Amino acid sequence: EVQLVESGGGWVQPGRSLRLSCAGSGFTLGDYDMHWVRLVPGKGLEWISGISWNSGSILSEDSMKGRFTISRDNAKNSLYLEMNSPRPEDTALYYCARRMTGDLNWFFDLWGRGTLVTVSS
Amino acid sequence: EIVMMQSPATLSVSPGESATLSCRASQSVSSKLAWIQLRPGQAPRLLMYGASTRATGIPARFSASGSGTEFTLTISSLQSEDFAIYYCQQYTNWPLTFGGGTKVEIK
Repeated sequence: EVQLVESGGGWVQPGRSLRLSCAGSGFTLGDYDMHWVRLVPGKGLEWISGISWNSGSILSEDSMKGRFTISRDNAKNSLYLEMNSPRPEDTALYYCARRMTGDLNWFFDLWGRGTLVTVSS
Repeated sequence: EIVMMQSPATLSVSPGESATLSCRASQSVSSKLAWIQLRPGQAPRLLMYGASTRATGIPARFSASGSGTEFTLTISSLQSEDFAIYYCQQYTNWPLTFGGGTKVEIK
């Protein structure tokens, strides 16, 4: 089955770090650009960051640059998001998402079920 | 940043009826618009892209139209699995942005 499965979420104190992981199965994750998107309670979906198939290009939402770092390990079919110094407003359900192939297709044809991150003291 | 606005916030519909959802962009996104369905506990699902192209496996009761700043998603003959939250997303400019969502609930 083609799917993405996120892990690593949980409760974290403000200022601590947390690393989220996303494992792909049923397809070769290294053939695709991958992204992180979050669902913030009461606000909706927010795009966080994306990384090209070979890690050669990384894009991030301005307010999250320097705090969130995206990376990948194609040999492990995995995507990561390092959350540094998270804030309470970063509490959300974090999804990894696969970008549809095609130069102008900056939308996502496969999503995981998400991993919940709660930032609180 | 392009701001995406969806209306209504909540739509109450009886099974078998149709639902029309709207999405408006603060500036033109041409046809670079996608629709995503979110059901609790499930992975989000891509419904439409290019403003009007159904994604793989999406049933024909889903249709969409629009270009520029005004877009519509129509669900005809609502099935139980269609009661969900729907988001539009523009992909013409960075950052990628989503609308606030429309919840389609059972009337």
